[in-house]
Amino acid sequence: IAGITQAPTSQILAAGRRMTLRCTQDMRHNAMYWYRQDLGLGLRLIHYSNTAGTTGKGEVPDGYSVSRANTDDFPLTLASAVPSQTSVYFCATKGGSTNTEAFFGQGTRLTVV
Amino acid sequence: AQSVAQPEDQVNVAEGNPLTVKCTYSVSGNPYLFWYVQYPNRGLQFLLKYITGDNLVKGSYGFEAEFNKSQTSFHLKKPSALVSDSALYFCAVRDNNAGNMLTFGGGTRLMVKP
Repeated sequence: IAGITQAPTSQILAAGRRMTLRCTQDMRHNAMYWYRQDLGLGLRLIHYSNTAGTTGKGEVPDGYSVSRANTDDFPLTLASAVPSQTSVYFCATKGGSTNTEAFFGQGTRLTVV
Repeated sequence: AQSVAQPEDQVNVAEGNPLTVKCTYSVSGNPYLFWYVQYPNRGLQFLLKYITGDNLVKGSYGFEAEFNKSQTSFHLKKPSALVSDSALYFCAVRDNNAGNMLTFGGGTRLMVKP
């Protein structure tokens, strides 16, 4: 079944540790995004990539990094996790032109303690 | 900069009654507007979008939304609510001058009671 796979589904992480959230898609969409979802704040864009080999900063990029070595994968790395990074993280993709909708993965629930 | 406001954190409605979930937006160019729904412990699912053309857009599960340019609004509506419609709803906007950047509102929780 075509779609977006995020891993892990959930994770408890000690503060200061490094963590990579994985996102893989098989829809060959050019654009990929990472959002975090926090109660009352909706979804906020962390980083994005319009095409393989390029990335950009979103609304809340501090403490996060991404890479886009190929079309299918868009990992999100927390270099040194802090409790404020406790959140639910969603990967999304978008193909086609500007007016097409985005598709979302099932999310990764991350708790930093 | 583009932004979206969903003024209600929660909307309560009785099953069978019409529902409205409000959304207003701000963009510098022409807006592309989207509604998504999120069920518990799930990702966001696309409901409908406005790109151009008719101001009334019909989408999945009997939902529709009306684009009002003068009021910069894109309210989500359904003539007859179901208990299964209870979920978290997000409005989003993309400025056609801002490439692929999609900005979300804070979300509105819809509670439909039997």
